[in-house]
Amino acid sequence: DQQVKQNSPSLSVQEGRISILNCDYTNSMFDYFLWYKKYPAEGPTFLISISSIKDKNEDGRFTVFLNKSAKHLSLHIVPSQPGDSAVYFCAASPTNTGNQFYFGTGTSLTVIP
Amino acid sequence: NAGVTQTPKFQVLKTGQSMTLQCAQDMNHNSMYWYRQDPGMGLRLIYYSASEGTTDKGEVPNGYNVSRLNKREFSLRLESAAPSQTSVYFCASSETRLEKLFFGSGTQLSVL
Repeated sequence: DQQVKQNSPSLSVQEGRISILNCDYTNSMFDYFLWYKKYPAEGPTFLISISSIKDKNEDGRFTVFLNKSAKHLSLHIVPSQPGDSAVYFCAASPTNTGNQFYFGTGTSLTVIP
Repeated sequence: NAGVTQTPKFQVLKTGQSMTLQCAQDMNHNSMYWYRQDPGMGLRLIYYSASEGTTDKGEVPNGYNVSRLNKREFSLRLESAAPSQTSVYFCASSETRLEKLFFGSGTQLSVL
């Protein structure tokens, strides 16, 4: 059963606008969350992370928001650029009780120039 | 910097054949992982090695074996390939357990 879900397989956004990618999880033990970006024929690369003691983490154009009560996190990209076009994966782990990250199925973002 | 290097990049096997996917990292990381990516399934953990000398099963270990040869190298072996093992395989490493992962560029495997 998928413990981390990305319900939007794809998203298209105009250059310069905000991109919002969503991720939901079911396991209340998850306390560390990461976002990865993947270009075709390449491996995923780390983008940004957040631990459950925070509700927001920012790195340049990228901000991740965590809503623990809703078991929901989102990645905001502002402003979106054509080079941001890629597949984005969220991942979660229960750092105190587990040994692995659980990945969502990914959202393909297209930024239109 | 090479980071995580996987070989081969592409492989076609016939059902029942065996092969080993090789992975090496040059970041002095303690933990290494093998994932597979299938359409609509995200990345699923096959096996991991939290530290040199240890290996453990992930979500989907059946049909695979691993060897942590030394701190740098972690190989994945398919003893008798099946069409269900057609996938893209990624090796990853992290400084310690459950730190952010660094991925290789992947191996596209087709089993006919």
